[in-house]
Amino acid sequence: AQSVTQPDIHITVSEGASLELRCNYSYGATPYLFWYVQSPGQGLQLLLKYFSGDTLVQGIKGFEAEFKRSQSSFNLRKPSVHWSDAAEYFCAVGARSSNTGKLIFGQGTTLQVKP
Amino acid sequence: DGGITQSPKYLFRKEGQNVTLSCEQNLNHDAMYWYRQDPGQGLRLIYYSQIVNDFQKGDIAEGYSVSREKKESFPLTVTSAQKNPTAFYLCASSIGTPPGELFFGEGSRLTVL
Repeated sequence: AQSVTQPDIHITVSEGASLELRCNYSYGATPYLFWYVQSPGQGLQLLLKYFSGDTLVQGIKGFEAEFKRSQSSFNLRKPSVHWSDAAEYFCAVGARSSNTGKLIFGQGTTLQVKP
Repeated sequence: DGGITQSPKYLFRKEGQNVTLSCEQNLNHDAMYWYRQDPGQGLRLIYYSQIVNDFQKGDIAEGYSVSREKKESFPLTVTSAQKNPTAFYLCASSIGTPPGELFFGEGSRLTVL
């Protein structure tokens, strides 16, 4: 069965510092991979997605993620964090063979940004 | 602007009452989904629908019901059989298959008193 693990429940970084949020997945083949962001009390917004091709994908708001097949990982990065990046971040996977379009989500990582 | 509208944003319910959460989309998407969000548990799939008049149970369907009579609408009923209904509920839509971007509504927070 597919699963997604985000090992870090809560991360605190200083404004201007770099950021890396970890995501590991369990799936028999390469899935479709996504990162979403959620502000408190709001819905989720797509940051970026990986379907195929270049393993380094660029997203909105200066975020990027790298797919590493050998490590079953899809970590999210940002070179310099802004206070407005404080939010909850979710990694999600979808099966290429799926006929339902369902996504499986990780537990989420809450990012706090110190001034 | 195209998007997904969920209502109400906040809802309070007494134990033993059914409540229906509304979800409407004008994105012309075939697939619609209901997720439940609890702190520290991420999003868990309740029900999904790929086409009008058809829907399937997700991972935590017990105590919930849905209908899909129109492409634009996918209401969720939280019944009195749901043992722990207090949660944040998110509706989403997508083009369907293969798995692609989900577009989310703003969510509905249900509190059972």
